[in-house]
Amino acid sequence: KAGVTQTPRYLIKTRGQQVTLSCSPISGHRSVSWYQQTPGQGLQFLFEYFSETQRNKGNFPGRFSGRQFSNSRSEMNVSTLELGDSALYLCASSFGDWFSEPYEQYFGPGTRLTVT
Amino acid sequence: EDKVVQSPLSLVVHEGDTVTLNCSYEVTNFRSLLWYKQEKKAPTFLFMLTSSGIEKKSGRLSSILDKKELFSILNITATQTGDSAIYLCAVEGGTTDSWGKLQFGAGTQVVVTP
Repeated sequence: KAGVTQTPRYLIKTRGQQVTLSCSPISGHRSVSWYQQTPGQGLQFLFEYFSETQRNKGNFPGRFSGRQFSNSRSEMNVSTLELGDSALYLCASSFGDWFSEPYEQYFGPGTRLTVT
Repeated sequence: EDKVVQSPLSLVVHEGDTVTLNCSYEVTNFRSLLWYKQEKKAPTFLFMLTSSGIEKKSGRLSSILDKKELFSILNITATQTGDSAIYLCAVEGGTTDSWGKLQFGAGTQVVVTP
């Protein structure tokens, strides 16, 4: 079974630009969560999507947004990039049926974003 | 707010030693606690502990959960240089604003020397 895939793997952008990152979950997984990882703040939750609906959002500014498609693939967008947005962006997929037993989250390889 | 504290922050051991990593947590309506291993890439899932599964073991790795004292331990026996990594602990709460959200600790950096 293929794992979680993310594209692109590396990205260099200039301050003020916008960027779109993509995540394809494990087949059969309907939940996709996004995280930002930086040396100073560690892993921080951005948002989670399930069946094309955002169910949860972390404490990030509105410049960070996302969406999920009917095939469970997800994208996140960051507009008006700032230097502080340089980070490893990770997505994780899960079955996501939170009304039953807990499910593991499996991470993709991440997208390394550098803002200059 | 959910909180996860890992200790120690880093440690160096010799091959063959046993390592014990600690994770204490505060979370509303505990649902699960997960351990991940992170090398120079994305976190790799190790274990998930829940109310119905408080002990897990896989090869040289094992983990327990103490729901009363709100902590978990990850043990690595007979360490190898390939065990060098950052070990992350994360918890998931059981409220609607916890859906899909893992709260991570800062991690423990483990270095295994030959």
